[in-house]
Amino acid sequence: KAGVTQTPRYLIKTRGQQVTLSCSPISGHRSVSWYQQTPGQGLQFLFEYFSETQRNKGNFPGRFSGRQFSNSRSEMNVSTLELGDSALYLCASSFRLGQETQYFGPGTRLLVL
Amino acid sequence: GQQLNQSPQSMFIQEGEDVSMNCTSSSIFNTWLWYKQDPGEGPVLLIALYKAGELTSNGRLTAQFGITRKDSFLNISASIPSDVGIYFCAGQLEGAQKLVFGQGTRLTINP
Repeated sequence: KAGVTQTPRYLIKTRGQQVTLSCSPISGHRSVSWYQQTPGQGLQFLFEYFSETQRNKGNFPGRFSGRQFSNSRSEMNVSTLELGDSALYLCASSFRLGQETQYFGPGTRLLVL
Repeated sequence: GQQLNQSPQSMFIQEGEDVSMNCTSSSIFNTWLWYKQDPGEGPVLLIALYKAGELTSNGRLTAQFGITRKDSFLNISASIPSDVGIYFCAGQLEGAQKLVFGQGTRLTINP
């Protein structure tokens, strides 16, 4: 069974631009969670989607948004990028809502200049 | 928010040594997970624990769900160079849906 895939793996943007990241969960998994990982803050939870609906949300500004499609694939969007948004963005999938036993993708490394 | 205290923050050991790390909290957890992350990659699930007192092995790795449900430990026996990386604990709080992550233990091995 294929693991969680994320595209692109690397991205360079400039301040003020927007970016869309994509995540394909493990086949059969319906829950997708997004995390931001930085050296200083560790793994920070962004949000979780299940059945195309956002079910849980972390403490991030409204510039961070997401959506989930009927095939459980998910996208994350960050608008008006700031330097501090530079991070590794990780997607994790699980079979059901509630995030237990999550499986992570390789991440998208975003650099904002 | 809820915090997991993971220790040690870093370890420098010789190849062949055993390793022990743990996570503690003042809160009760329903699930404990241990992940390993290599540079530039996402965390890989090593062991999942679902019951207090549960002891589970995965090769040279052994993890236990503390009886009080407030802690967990991970042991690595006979370390090898590919064990290098950052190890994270994560827990699902009782009554909550979100996972809480520890700050990680960075393991460095001298050959």
